Amino acid sequence: LAKTTQPISMDSYEGQEVNITCSHNNIATNDYITWYQQFPSQGPRFIIQGYKTKVTNEVASLFIPADRKSSTLSLPRVSLSDTAVYYCLVGVFYNQGGKLIFGQGTELSVKP
Amino acid sequence: DAGVIQSPRHEVTEMGQEVTLRCKPISGHDYLFWYRQTMMRGLELLIYFNNNVPIDDSGMPEDRFSAKMPNASFSTLKIQPSEPRDSAVYFCASSPVSTESGANVLTFGAGSRLTVL
Repeated sequence: LAKTTQPISMDSYEGQEVNITCSHNNIATNDYITWYQQFPSQGPRFIIQGYKTKVTNEVASLFIPADRKSSTLSLPRVSLSDTAVYYCLVGVFYNQGGKLIFGQGTELSVKP
Repeated sequence: DAGVIQSPRHEVTEMGQEVTLRCKPISGHDYLFWYRQTMMRGLELLIYFNNNVPIDDSGMPEDRFSAKMPNASFSTLKIQPSEPRDSAVYFCASSPVSTESGANVLTFGAGSRLTVL
């Protein structure tokens, strides 16, 4: 399983763009990169998933360089409600015999 | 869809008692997962099922833990006997094989907070 490394915590202010980088140096060819968000007292919630280059949805963007050894989750113009823990996961899908393991995550604190 | 439904939301019990946590996955999802979350260990995968069959239970801490999925719409996680170190939030999640936004996207329930005194 590819190990991921993320900053333990980050601070930001409302309206700023936040970029959270995840390192996964031993990512395998078939591994996908997935990000989840978890608010206090709730279960994690899927944000975005990608394999290479850039993926964008209504919530965030995911940037993956050509070597795929890292990825960056970008949250545009954060608000107080974006305060949460963000998890980066790397792995093969379950239907391919993989397993998704959650690391420690990045605790994002958005201040007014 | 009501999402993944877990019960009870909160459970307080005494050491040695049996605890049963319940989960109703999203209809049509092929995979069901049980995770446990504590401050010390974070989110741990305990076991997962595919089409009601347990695939990987290597995360189950010890024989005191057991999980079943008798049908596609119901799963239980049982702890017998319970111990204080089992205190945690237990999450159930389900997933289809693929979605428009990606593959194996897990939808989590609200969790069951277990306190063993």
